[in-house]
Amino acid sequence: ETGVTQTPRHLVMGMTNKKSLKCEQHLGHNAMYWYKQSAKKPLELMFVYSLEERVENNSVPSRFSPECPNSSHLFLHLHTLQPEDSALYLCASSQEFETAYNEQFFGPGTRLTVL
Amino acid sequence: AQTVTQSQPEMSVQEAETVTLSCTYDTSESDYYLFWYKQPPSRQMILVIRQEAYKQQNATENRFSVNFQKAAKSFSLKISDSQLGDAAMYFCAYRSGPYSGAGSYQLTFGKGTKLSVIP
Repeated sequence: ETGVTQTPRHLVMGMTNKKSLKCEQHLGHNAMYWYKQSAKKPLELMFVYSLEERVENNSVPSRFSPECPNSSHLFLHLHTLQPEDSALYLCASSQEFETAYNEQFFGPGTRLTVL
Repeated sequence: AQTVTQSQPEMSVQEAETVTLSCTYDTSESDYYLFWYKQPPSRQMILVIRQEAYKQQNATENRFSVNFQKAAKSFSLKISDSQLGDAAMYFCAYRSGPYSGAGSYQLTFGKGTKLSVIP
């Protein structure tokens, strides 16, 4: 266990559904991240929050909407997804975003399948 | 933009033997950090080892060590006395340092190497 939990672990949704992924960290960290992990591709950083403010947004389609209500929780709201959005979505946290040496702690991921 | 290349999609090693996973990166920065992360089949990724570019000494963590060749932009991971629990995906990652002027401290990952350990 890394101290980062994600729910649900598996999610199947239709293209017209709306769902949310949840991430919670119990480490007292100030930075949280969403990554997309697809087969045969490097991990793609989607969003970064530092002290509940979004500091990175890597040209992610608007059908993905992040929310960080406090430093311990991070959500990824999903709507009108496409089949190519099927992937493993990983959440991570670190002490601070700006400190390059900081280790990132990852959650187990949510396996998303879009039908 | 920085890129990280792991040229070995899959590797295997006999239990108790040594294996080396390769990683190369492309950057014009002199201040950066390099990481190896391990993702076991249960999918929770963990940090294995990290290296600061300004340090000439190679990092070591128990059975894990790196061969950091800054001029060649190479950062390989050596696993000694391989164990069944070492079977996982291994990701090499790069991050700009605070004095690089990059303005972004994202981790850039390679595609990963799947390591199998043969009993």
